[in-house]
Amino acid sequence: AQSVTQLDSQVPVFEEAPVELRCNYSSSVSVYLFWYVQYPNQGLQLLLKYLSGSTLVKGINGFEAEFNKSQTSFHLRKPSVHISDTAEYFCAVSVHNAGNMLTFGGGTRLMVKP
Amino acid sequence: ETGVTQTPRHLVMGMTNKKSLKCEQHLGHNAMYWYKQSAKKPLELMFVYSLEERVENNSVPSRFSPECPNSSHLFLHLHTLQPEDSALYLCASSQDRQTTYEQYFGPGTRLTVT
Repeated sequence: AQSVTQLDSQVPVFEEAPVELRCNYSSSVSVYLFWYVQYPNQGLQLLLKYLSGSTLVKGINGFEAEFNKSQTSFHLRKPSVHISDTAEYFCAVSVHNAGNMLTFGGGTRLMVKP
Repeated sequence: ETGVTQTPRHLVMGMTNKKSLKCEQHLGHNAMYWYKQSAKKPLELMFVYSLEERVENNSVPSRFSPECPNSSHLFLHLHTLQPEDSALYLCASSQDRQTTYEQYFGPGTRLTVT
């Protein structure tokens, strides 16, 4: 079985500062990787995904993530955050050839301060 | 309406009540999902339907009963719930469940069991 660990439950950061949200996974087989964002009182929205190819993936709202197979990580980064980026961020994995089943991490609350 | 909609957005029910959550997707997708999002716990997949057939049931208690009458609608029937069932219930859909397509989420139903 696979698992996802988001080490930081909360990340406070000042507006216009860079941010990195960490995600590590565990799986005995190849995985696909995702980052979702959840704004208050809303469902989850896909930020970006890694299926294959280039390990640096660019998503919406200026976010990017890098897949590191040797470290089993998929950290999310943004060079300059805005107040509107305040939200909960979820990392998720699905296993190759096992259907579209997502296993989520516990989430990281990004709090952007003015 | 566009995307994935869920009704009601908020629900308070007693432990002896029977209620139903409704999800509707307007995306022409063939797979639909129910997730449970509890405080301080990762999102948990409850049920998966593909072309109106249930394909996954992740050991969910029988007090939760899903129904998928067609590919656009998904219900979660609730009866004799427990206070620990209080959570945000999210519905999602994807083009199908065999390929790793993006899952589109609804805004959720916030359920409180008293």
